[in-house]
Amino acid sequence: NAGVTQTPKFRVLKTGQSMTLLCAQDMNHEYMYWYRQDPGMGLRLIHYSVGEGTTAKGEVPDGYNVSRLKKQNFLLGLESAAPSQTSVYFCASSSMTRNQPQHFGDGTRLSIL
Amino acid sequence: AQSVTQLDSHVSVSEGTPVLLRCNYSSSYSPSLFWYVQHPNKGLQLLLKYTSAATLVKGINGFEAEFKKSETSFHLTKPSAHMSDAAEYFCVVSTGGSYIPTFGRGTSLIVHP
Repeated sequence: NAGVTQTPKFRVLKTGQSMTLLCAQDMNHEYMYWYRQDPGMGLRLIHYSVGEGTTAKGEVPDGYNVSRLKKQNFLLGLESAAPSQTSVYFCASSSMTRNQPQHFGDGTRLSIL
Repeated sequence: AQSVTQLDSHVSVSEGTPVLLRCNYSSSYSPSLFWYVQHPNKGLQLLLKYTSAATLVKGINGFEAEFKKSETSFHLTKPSAHMSDAAEYFCVVSTGGSYIPTFGRGTSLIVHP
């Protein structure tokens, strides 16, 4: 059971470039989330999804887009990368049963030069 | 509305001594509370959760936490620290039907030999 898998694990981009981060879960979870983690800031929610075909904004959505075309996948896109988006990105998923814990991937380290 | 405050950004202990990581929460409804651990370059792993059953919750690796409604606290403890406990710890609150858990900013546990 792989759980939550994030690809890629590392990436370096130049300012203005675009890229997509992929999150895949094999637990049949309804809810999926994208967070960014920066020193001293904890985890901040970028976007989330409560089911296939749905997405919603989190705390820090600007500069990011997401899609949930399949239940098991949640994609995070950066259309025009900026140095301020240098961060570690985590994907998580959880079931829709009330108050269940989240399951996290190992993260994607993204540097924007 | 819900919020969580981790009272210490860093906690330093010697190996073999007790660990106390403090967490206070605010919630309009009966909360679910979680502690996660994050080791370097890894994702978050669930340590334990409280969901309105026993107020003293036992987790993995010898950790436990006590839910105190009167004090709105959910402090994490361990009788004897091990070097492998050195990590970042996050307290998380989730309320009612909310899809969005709220994270504390994290406490870095440093364990000295």
